[in-house]
Amino acid sequence: GENVEQHPSTLSVQEGDSAVIKCTYSDSASNYFPWYKQELGKRPQLIIDIRSNVGEKKDQRIAVTLNKTAKHFSLHITETQPEDSAVYFCAASPGANSKLTFGKGITLSVRP
Amino acid sequence: GAGVSQSPSNKVTEKGKDVELRCDPISGHTALYWYRQSLGQGLEFLIYFQGNSAPDKSGLPSDRFSAERTGGSVSTLTIQRTQQEDSAVYLCASSLIFGDTQYFGPGTRLTVL
Repeated sequence: GENVEQHPSTLSVQEGDSAVIKCTYSDSASNYFPWYKQELGKRPQLIIDIRSNVGEKKDQRIAVTLNKTAKHFSLHITETQPEDSAVYFCAASPGANSKLTFGKGITLSVRP
Repeated sequence: GAGVSQSPSNKVTEKGKDVELRCDPISGHTALYWYRQSLGQGLEFLIYFQGNSAPDKSGLPSDRFSAERTGGSVSTLTIQRTQQEDSAVYLCASSLIFGDTQYFGPGTRLTVL
């Protein structure tokens, strides 16, 4: 089955700097890669996703890049703000009718 | 429209008691998932329901855990003879079709004394 790993487990950046969170996956058939943000005490919420027919997707300050050859995908957050502090989960799936496998999460802290 | 809802939001129970947790998925979503999240930990998959197919129970930690989904909509997760290690937040999610984007409910925080 699919195995998704996230590194590092924690990341601390200064407000205004960029943050990059990387995930690796094992199943080359995976073609759907969502990112979820979970603020303290809240539910995980989808912030961006990418499918394997594109290499990059942007939405304002966040972007996701995908490298299918290396089997990794990354979340990029520019101009970080304190409200970006949260746990970020990546996930991977071979698509419809397949299970979505989550990574263990990365805690991002943005220092004011 | 309405998102995924769960009840109760908090549940405190005594060791050995049974508990039932409820999930109302987004209307029209055919797939429903249960996860467990212990304090500061990741999302531990428990079980999923896909349409009318038999559920995938591969993530259930013991036979004290069971779940059902009635009429393809509401789901109930039952934990029998609760133990202190069952204390966690239980999250439910639903998706339009299995494998698609999952939308999470607010969770039920279970505390076993």
